Amino acid sequence: ETGVTQSPTHLIKTRGQQVTLRCSSQSGHNTVSWYQQALGQGPQFIFQYYREEENGRGNFPPRFSGLQFPNYSSELNVNALELDDSALYLCASSLAAASGGNEQFFGPGTRLTVL
Amino acid sequence: AQRVTQPEKLLSVFKGAPVELKCNYSYSGSPELFWYVQYSRQRLQLLLRHISRESIKGFTADLNKGETSFHLKKPFAQEEDSAMYYCALRSGSARQLTFGSGTQLTVLP
Repeated sequence: ETGVTQSPTHLIKTRGQQVTLRCSSQSGHNTVSWYQQALGQGPQFIFQYYREEENGRGNFPPRFSGLQFPNYSSELNVNALELDDSALYLCASSLAAASGGNEQFFGPGTRLTVL
Repeated sequence: AQRVTQPEKLLSVFKGAPVELKCNYSYSGSPELFWYVQYSRQRLQLLLRHISRESIKGFTADLNKGETSFHLKKPFAQEEDSAMYYCALRSGSARQLTFGSGTQLTVLP
């Protein structure tokens, strides 16, 4: 069984640029959730994808967007980067959306720095 | 809106001493609460969930709806318990997790 993987590990961008982060879900999982973790804070929910459709969204602006592919891997795209977007971005996969009891398994994260 | 509060950013105890990590929540519905742990240089992982009423690695947590709390307890702390602990509440159509800001536990020898 392969765990959740994320790429890249680290990324440095400048303000105004665009970035794409990638996540491969754990084998057999069809749901991917993305979280932003600012320094000293807990993870904050960005959005979730289930069977290639956005299934829920947190309090993040539209410049945060995502995709899920048929193999259930996912991308997080952030446009017009701002300094406050500097954070650890976590991806979590689970077996099914909107059902109780299914554990979310987290990836190691991508550390994004915006200069 | 839901909210999870962990009042202690840092907590230090000696090995063998009891430990309690505090978590309070605000949620209008029936809460589903979890504790996640992140050991040094490892990824975030589930420690326990309230519906299971289980003890994991000697840790237990009881949901107190009257006090809206879900404190994590262990009677005898071990050095390997040193880690960052996050309390989380699951809600919403996406069953997303709302995390507290975390408590860094250090167990001293």
